[in-house]
Amino acid sequence: QKEVEQDPGPLSVPEGAIVSLNCTYSNSAFQYFMWYRQYSRKGPELLMYTYSSGNKEDGRFTAQVDKSSKYISLFIRDSQPSDSATYLCAITQGGSEKLVFGKGMKLTVNP
Amino acid sequence: KAGVTQTPRYLIKTRGQQVTLSCSPISGHRSVSWYQQTPGQGLQFLFEYFSETQRNKGNFPGRFSGRQFSNSRSEMNVSTLELGDSALYLCASSFPAHTQYFGPGTRLTVL
Repeated sequence: QKEVEQDPGPLSVPEGAIVSLNCTYSNSAFQYFMWYRQYSRKGPELLMYTYSSGNKEDGRFTAQVDKSSKYISLFIRDSQPSDSATYLCAITQGGSEKLVFGKGMKLTVNP
Repeated sequence: KAGVTQTPRYLIKTRGQQVTLSCSPISGHRSVSWYQQTPGQGLQFLFEYFSETQRNKGNFPGRFSGRQFSNSRSEMNVSTLELGDSALYLCASSFPAHTQYFGPGTRLTVL
């Protein structure tokens, strides 16, 4: 079983749609959860960082963590064409900078 | 603050050669991590350095090595290149813990 599973998509939505991206993980020792956005031919950009179950909101982005189900989500409200990118979930244990990444979901927001 | 910089951005080598990639972290960041990104395997952790010491290592063969200098700049070396080493090599620096900021990457092509 992979440590982190993420549906690779691709996902295509119309502008203004609500987007839901999800990952599951297998090891309950993971404590820190991140979402990265990667545009084509660029390095990943940190979007959201959480360390507890619950929701964290930043503008149009909401990160949700459910540790009991080992399930993390990223919601994008009012999606824009500029949100078109690959979204990667990443998790790590405490005391380590080793990030374990999902495969990434390629999102296209159509005008 | 300037972001993470990586040099060179593109590199073409032949099988059997060796290569050295360079990374300059964000000023004040002492932790530097390296990742390999391929279409098939996604982003995989190579190693992490903190204050010139390797703190973590991923599951890569000994041909992959790295080091960190007293100014936190880091290099990674791949010896005896194989076709499968063709990838985007990403460097990330972090501060505070678990918030990693990635550079643009070095795209290595092995012929």
